[in-house]
Amino acid sequence: DVKVTQSSRYLVKRTGEKVFLECVQDMDHENMFWYRQDPGLGLRLIYFSYDVKMKEKGDIPEGYSVSREKKERFSLILESASTNQTSMYLCASTITTGIGNTIYFGEGSWLTVV
Amino acid sequence: GQQLNQSPQSMFIQEGEDVSMNCTSSSIFNTWLWYKQDPGEGPVLLIALYKAGELTSNGRLTAQFGITRKDSFLNISASIPSDVGIYFCAGPFHGSSNTGKLIFGQGTTLQVKP
Repeated sequence: DVKVTQSSRYLVKRTGEKVFLECVQDMDHENMFWYRQDPGLGLRLIYFSYDVKMKEKGDIPEGYSVSREKKERFSLILESASTNQTSMYLCASTITTGIGNTIYFGEGSWLTVV
Repeated sequence: GQQLNQSPQSMFIQEGEDVSMNCTSSSIFNTWLWYKQDPGEGPVLLIALYKAGELTSNGRLTAQFGITRKDSFLNISASIPSDVGIYFCAGPFHGSSNTGKLIFGQGTTLQVKP
């Protein structure tokens, strides 16, 4: 059974803290994604990685960075969390030749910044 | 940039009613996807459409790829309480049809009254 696992489901952090959101997939997928989900805005792409140590900015990369040291793991980093980063974060993965029907999402990480 | 406009934003219907939602864009898409997100979970693919004019069913769900390639429709017949959730349309970012990078509509939140 395919699996994308996000390590933290619910986090509460203080403004200015450094935050790590971890995502692991067990399908040997090359491509991994971080999306942010907000009511009325749908899912917006933050960053995308197509290989180890490779990354590409999405639509809303400001205030975020990512790390892909191993193929199965893609981390989203908030260097200095702010209240406007309170949101639900979704990780996803797919194969290199994937289109929509091969993308798998994790269950999401709810982050509250106070 | 690319945008998908999804409507309606929310629906509150009686069990047994049919539901219709749509997604439009000013850009042409070669693939249209419909996802459902259950409360507290990540999105799951419902239907994928690859050809203009295509009509595809998945149980009580039917989706159509608009002939202009700028829109798509999702219909749910005889709704039941477990249809509750957020429905998203999505399509590949231009130039990224083989990487899995998707752009999403704002989502339609469906509530079903038993």
